[in-house]
Amino acid sequence: QKEVEQDPGPLSVPEGAIVSLNCTYSNSAFQYFMWYRQYSRKGPELLMYTYSSGNKEDGRFTAQVDKSSKYISLFIRDSQPSDSATYLCAMKPQGGSEKLVFGKGTKLTVNP
Amino acid sequence: EPEVTQTPSHQVTQMGQEVILRCVPISNHLYFYWYRQILGQKVEFLVSFYNNEISEKSEIFDDQFSVERPDGSNFTLKIRSTKLEDSAMYFCASSESGQGSQPQHFGDGTRLSIL
Repeated sequence: QKEVEQDPGPLSVPEGAIVSLNCTYSNSAFQYFMWYRQYSRKGPELLMYTYSSGNKEDGRFTAQVDKSSKYISLFIRDSQPSDSATYLCAMKPQGGSEKLVFGKGTKLTVNP
Repeated sequence: EPEVTQTPSHQVTQMGQEVILRCVPISNHLYFYWYRQILGQKVEFLVSFYNNEISEKSEIFDDQFSVERPDGSNFTLKIRSTKLEDSAMYFCASSESGQGSQPQHFGDGTRLSIL
């Protein structure tokens, strides 16, 4: 089983739709969970950063972590064409290693 | 907003040549990282660096690779004798601390093409 799995898509939605992006993972030591947005030919840009289980909201973005299911989600409300990008999940354990383990990324297109 | 800057944006090098990729981390950050992304694949960790020494490295980071903080602002990745399979995007990242409570911020990368 891969350490972090993420459906690569592509995912295409109309403007204004609610988008749901997901990752599953196998390493129960992961405690920090991140979502990065990557535009074409750019570096990963941090969107959301959460610790352990629960929800975190920032504007149109909501991150959810369910450690019991080893499942994390990113929801985008009222999606905009400017949200079109590749979304990467990443995670790391608490203490010890600083290595981020990434999913493969989901390519999202929001159509006007 | 402070950002991580990387130069050059694109580097083309002949196989077997040495290449140095440069990064200027965010100024108050103490932890520095290199990752790479081969086309179509995941972003992969290479190395972390703190207090002028490597704190962790992956199995990819073999003897061909080295990192250095030559002055108070730059952080470099050197590949001694490049191979075709070293062609990838190389991302530098930095964080305030290594305790996990501070996220890693990435630069826009250097695209390395080995001919």
